[in-house]
Amino acid sequence: GAGVSQSPSNKVTEKGKDVELRCDPISGHTALYWYRQSLGQGLEFLIYFQGNSAPDKSGLPSDRFSAERTGGSVSTLTIQRTQQEDSAVYLCASSLGGAGIMDGYTFGSGTRLTVV
Amino acid sequence: AQSVAQPEDQVNVAEGNPLTVKCTYSVSGNPYLFWYVQYPNRGLQFLLKYITGDNLVKGSYGFEAEFNKSQTSFHLKKPSALVSDSALYFCAVRDMRDDKIIFGKGTRLHILP
Repeated sequence: GAGVSQSPSNKVTEKGKDVELRCDPISGHTALYWYRQSLGQGLEFLIYFQGNSAPDKSGLPSDRFSAERTGGSVSTLTIQRTQQEDSAVYLCASSLGGAGIMDGYTFGSGTRLTVV
Repeated sequence: AQSVAQPEDQVNVAEGNPLTVKCTYSVSGNPYLFWYVQYPNRGLQFLLKYITGDNLVKGSYGFEAEFNKSQTSFHLKKPSALVSDSALYFCAVRDMRDDKIIFGKGTRLHILP
């Protein structure tokens, strides 16, 4: 597609429920990243996929968080047993190569998650 | 591990005046440095990058940034601010030996008419 697409754009869920957030990167972009933007916390790195390599999961805050990328394209971020502190905007980005050296990252519009 | 600091949560500048948004970084190797901007109700956009070469890099919307290795800084600058520059600005760094970019907490820029 023309840009990075994320769905849903907004999600309200009850504490303890599981949620899935979807990211559809730009076609041909081999690198895909998930970040979390919380008020006053900037952008927190969560996980990074590059081609067929094992993902860099070093930013996932707990074992309730997981992500997969199927067929080198669409990615799903799953949060199990959501907590109120999980409320944030979850941003996905993609790039042609590692770390957006060529043209930087292209970010999606994000999913605003609210846990009530 | 790499890190980046943006010491100012908010910067206020009068329209037409020069602006500077500060950024310092820490990496164990040579850095790749970036600035991104987030306008209200819009996604993050890439502004400019330093990879190698000239220390002064130019980017979109008339912005530029100066890489200073001795001070480990990468301040964002613009000679004459516009009200439309009001946004949230993020500095980011990548260590050459890593593949992910680490972002700062952001600086909110207010340009006063």
